[in-house]
Amino acid sequence: EIVLTQSPGTLSLSPGERATLSCRASQNVGGNQLAWYQQKPGQAPRLLIHAASSRATGIPDRFSGSGSGTDFTLTISRLESEDFAVYYCQHYASAPPVTFGGGTKVEI
Amino acid sequence: EVRLVQSGAEVKKPGESLKISCKGSGYNFNNYWIGWVRQMPGKGLEWMGIIYAGDSETRQSPSFQGQVTMSVDKSTGTAYLQWSRLMASDTAMYYCARSQGAFDLWGQGTMVTVSS
Repeated sequence: EIVLTQSPGTLSLSPGERATLSCRASQNVGGNQLAWYQQKPGQAPRLLIHAASSRATGIPDRFSGSGSGTDFTLTISRLESEDFAVYYCQHYASAPPVTFGGGTKVEI
Repeated sequence: EVRLVQSGAEVKKPGESLKISCKGSGYNFNNYWIGWVRQMPGKGLEWMGIIYAGDSETRQSPSFQGQVTMSVDKSTGTAYLQWSRLMASDTAMYYCARSQGAFDLWGQGTMVTVSS
């Protein structure tokens, strides 16, 4: 089973700043089959990035994903107020088991 | 509009059975996998498994195998998650989501509370 470790656990930033979130896998994620989701309180998660670097439909270009192998990054270039949320990475290279990371909370 | 709509919140007692639903619309339901994700109160996301709507092929996490049953009704475009005997530890929000590897479309969630 691939274990995904997200860091930091909490990121305290201000609107307009750049956010860099890390997701490290315990073994190679084949085909860069890694996704990022955003979850706001009381809401379902929303897909931001799939295949490590492809933005999902309707996602603003301030969100970008990068990385390969075992190290992946989600970058939010300029934080807006609606971006303060919890972010999860997920691999889907093999099913089952598919796993999520533990999440990074981006707070003001 | 493409969406998944889940059934409403449930309050059950330990030992009771439960079946929650997830109805797809606006797309060809039978051509996609539907997944289930658990989120316990204040915790992260857990992948439970996926089921292919076209033929009911199922792939389940070992953590949930034998604990829940996934099924689909192609005629109504609805996926189901079922428990035969609930436990207090099943208290959680349950999301269904359309899977294309990544989950690109999510239901609004069904809160299940199990308490005596």
